[in-house]
Amino acid sequence: AQKITQTQPGMFVQEKEAVTLDCTYDTSDQSYGLFWYKQPSSGEMIFLIYQGSYDEQNATEGRYSLNFQKARKSANLVISASQLGDSAMYFCAMREGLGTGNQFYFGTGTSLTVIP
Amino acid sequence: GAGVSQTPSNKVTEKGKYVELRCDPISGHTALYWYRQSLGQGPEFLIYFQGTGAADDSGLPNDRFFAVRPEGSVSTLKIQRTERGDSAVYLCASSGQGAQEQYFGPGTRLTVT
Repeated sequence: AQKITQTQPGMFVQEKEAVTLDCTYDTSDQSYGLFWYKQPSSGEMIFLIYQGSYDEQNATEGRYSLNFQKARKSANLVISASQLGDSAMYFCAMREGLGTGNQFYFGTGTSLTVIP
Repeated sequence: GAGVSQTPSNKVTEKGKYVELRCDPISGHTALYWYRQSLGQGPEFLIYFQGTGAADDSGLPNDRFFAVRPEGSVSTLKIQRTERGDSAVYLCASSGQGAQEQYFGPGTRLTVT
């Protein structure tokens, strides 16, 4: 079974609008971390936001927020007030366990295009 | 400060040749990871170092792949007898003590002809 599933290969959003990128995960661990990364066409993976499995509040970082629904095993990324520079691939990732050294499992990504 | 750097940025090699890919992590980061990203896919884990030792090499696809980190800083991923299926972007990431996130380098695009 896939650890991370991203079902939207491509998304379009109007500039200044909000957009939600979907992510579901599969783990039997009680302790895990969820991450979102942005990958522009230059190729570098840019860390956006982190949510721990025990965190009760949804994580927020500027225009990014993570809609964490533990019972549904979903960790959707919400980008508010989209900008042209947000056009990129977005990857959801999970790390199982408490150890910060454990590997990340990545989804297949969602390509976001912001339309002016 | 400087981020994770990787060299070369691009490498074209012939099938059967040996290649080395280098990663220079963020200064002071003890954890170092190698991932491989094929076209249209997310990164896939290869190996994780904590200090000088490989703490988890379960992602290495076969014994043609090997990685070292002799002084706990720079790491080299070595691929012997390259095959066309090895063509991908090889990403390196590092992480600070106790930190949750991993910081990625720009990757090395390997093309095996």
